[in-house]
Amino acid sequence: NAGVTQTPKFQVLKTGQSMTLQCAQDMNHNSMYWYRQDPGMGLRLIYYSASEGTTDKGEVPNGYNVSRLNKREFSLRLESAAPSQTSVYFCASSVTGGSGDTQYFGPGTRLTVL
Amino acid sequence: TQLLEQSPQFLSIQEGENLTVYCNSSSVFSSLQWYRQEPGEGPVLLVTVVTGGEVKKLKRLTFQFGDARKDSSLHITAAQPGDTGLYLCAGVRGNKLVFGAGTILRVKS
Repeated sequence: NAGVTQTPKFQVLKTGQSMTLQCAQDMNHNSMYWYRQDPGMGLRLIYYSASEGTTDKGEVPNGYNVSRLNKREFSLRLESAAPSQTSVYFCASSVTGGSGDTQYFGPGTRLTVL
Repeated sequence: TQLLEQSPQFLSIQEGENLTVYCNSSSVFSSLQWYRQEPGEGPVLLVTVVTGGEVKKLKRLTFQFGDARKDSSLHITAAQPGDTGLYLCAGVRGNKLVFGAGTILRVKS
């Protein structure tokens, strides 16, 4: 099992460009999450999907959109990138999303917006 | 303002020393998790504490959840270079996690 995979690992964008970050899990998990990690801020939840077909906003959703393509895949889209979106992005999944459920994280995508 | 405050932010110690990392909040959580993250990788769950006053041990790591379920601590005995990494606490609220900013630990040999 590969667990949670993310592509790309690194990306550099210019302000105003768009891109999609891809995430896939092979653990048959129901819930998936997108976080961003900034120095001194910990991880902050952008969007999550409790189950296939549903998505909800997290703490910092502005400037992002998501798609739960199927049970395995959850993508994060930046329509018009801004320098404030320079960050490391992590995708995670969990079995049910229930309280205290273990979240399994991917290796991250390091994004720089110039 | 961080909902979960971790201290210290950085810790650099010699191999064999003991250390404690703290995670404090003014809010109550249903449970609290500790993660460890290495450079270039995602966080990995170490433990979940659920009951106020609970103590869990994982080899040389001891985790404690405060009686009021607002704070937690991680104590490492006889630290080793392999313990180097970023330690994150996360409060559980329903199906969401609220993370602290983390403690960067460096253990020198």
